[in-house]
Amino acid sequence: EAGVAQSPRYKIIEKRQSVAFWCNPISGHATLYWYQQILGQGPKLLIQFQNNGVVDDSQLPKDRFSAERLKGVDSTLKIQPAKLEDSAVYLCASSLGSNGYTFGSGTRLTVV
Amino acid sequence: GNSVTQMEGPVTLSEEAFLTINCTYTATGYPSLFWYVQYPGEGLQLLLKATKADDKGSNKGFEATYRKETTSFHLEKGSVQVSDSAVYFCALSDGTNAGKSTFGDGTTLTVKP
Repeated sequence: EAGVAQSPRYKIIEKRQSVAFWCNPISGHATLYWYQQILGQGPKLLIQFQNNGVVDDSQLPKDRFSAERLKGVDSTLKIQPAKLEDSAVYLCASSLGSNGYTFGSGTRLTVV
Repeated sequence: GNSVTQMEGPVTLSEEAFLTINCTYTATGYPSLFWYVQYPGEGLQLLLKATKADDKGSNKGFEATYRKETTSFHLEKGSVQVSDSAVYFCALSDGTNAGKSTFGDGTTLTVKP
């Protein structure tokens, strides 16, 4: 089965610019997650979708971050405007039930 | 809230040495517990899991036992290889929010030949 696809793999932007990340989960996985992983730390949940509805976005900085899941499949995470502290790896994961996640390879964002 | 605490790294071992990476958790109810591994330049991969007390998860020679009395899920391997060098993350899912997981900060393992 195909894995979780993410793009781009790397992105370098200047602060105050905008950036978007894309994720295509495993076919049939209803739940999709976006995590932020800062260097040296574990992943921190940003937002969780169940089909195309938001289940948990309590940790999403909504003044600058937004996310959507189109037709319950692909998802896009956007940052506008970016800050230096947004430099991190952005991980997308999908799951079927509570049996663990399948992660994508992530997008490494560097804000300069 | 839920939390996961892992032993601080980095951990450096010689090939064929015994590995233990400690993990303790705080959660309400009866969480499922997981170990994920992240090889250099790659995303996280599920290594093993346990869904109830006294369950033992195992994969690729790694094992971890769900200990409810000590709220622990320590990762062990009897004989490590250079190819096991990676970052290991302990995680829990409390089962109340469609599988939302909380992760520890990871432990970096380096195995030298």
